[in-house]
Amino acid sequence: DGGITQSPKYLFRKEGQNVTLSCEQNLNHDAMYWYRQDPGQGLRLIYYSQIVNDFQKGDIAEGYSVSREKKESFPLTVTSAQKNPTAFYLCASTGPPSGANVLTFGAGSRLTVL
Amino acid sequence: QKEVEQDPGPLSVPEGAIVSLNCTYSNSAFQYFMWYRQYSRKGPELLMYTYSSGNKEDGRFTAQVDKSSKYISLFIRDSQPSDSATYLCALENAGNMLTFGGGTRLMVKP
Repeated sequence: DGGITQSPKYLFRKEGQNVTLSCEQNLNHDAMYWYRQDPGQGLRLIYYSQIVNDFQKGDIAEGYSVSREKKESFPLTVTSAQKNPTAFYLCASTGPPSGANVLTFGAGSRLTVL
Repeated sequence: QKEVEQDPGPLSVPEGAIVSLNCTYSNSAFQYFMWYRQYSRKGPELLMYTYSSGNKEDGRFTAQVDKSSKYISLFIRDSQPSDSATYLCALENAGNMLTFGGGTRLMVKP
């Protein structure tokens, strides 16, 4: 089945540690996104990539980094510079633009900082 | 003021009720209006989207857009316990970027 796989589903991190969240898609989508979800705040865009080897900052990129070396993969690193990293992280992708920009989401990764 | 406002709920209704979920927005440049459903500890999934003012129906779900009032709604008829989820509105601008509402948590009780 085509879809987006995020791992790990749950992750615990000590303060000062970097962690990397994995996102893999087999939908042959060009564009990929990372969102952060906090209670009551909706989804906020961290980074997005519309093509391999290129990515742009979203609204809350500080303390995060990404890479896009392969079309299928868009890992997110939460660095120690992110002051409040505990959140639910969602990866998404979209196909070629044709009308609405409909996102397909993964199941998410929940990061907790101890 | 947030660009997209959505009452967080929770909204609790009995099975079979008609549910109305709403979002208001401030940016008149939004052109696509979407509704996503998110079950607990899962990623959101698209329910439906509309482009222009008016109504769009899909089974028990109806999306309504009033651009003049900057107000969008999602109606659920004959609500079921399986409809219990968080409903997120998402509005797309001309640059294909989405702005999400905070989500409304709906609980449908048997």
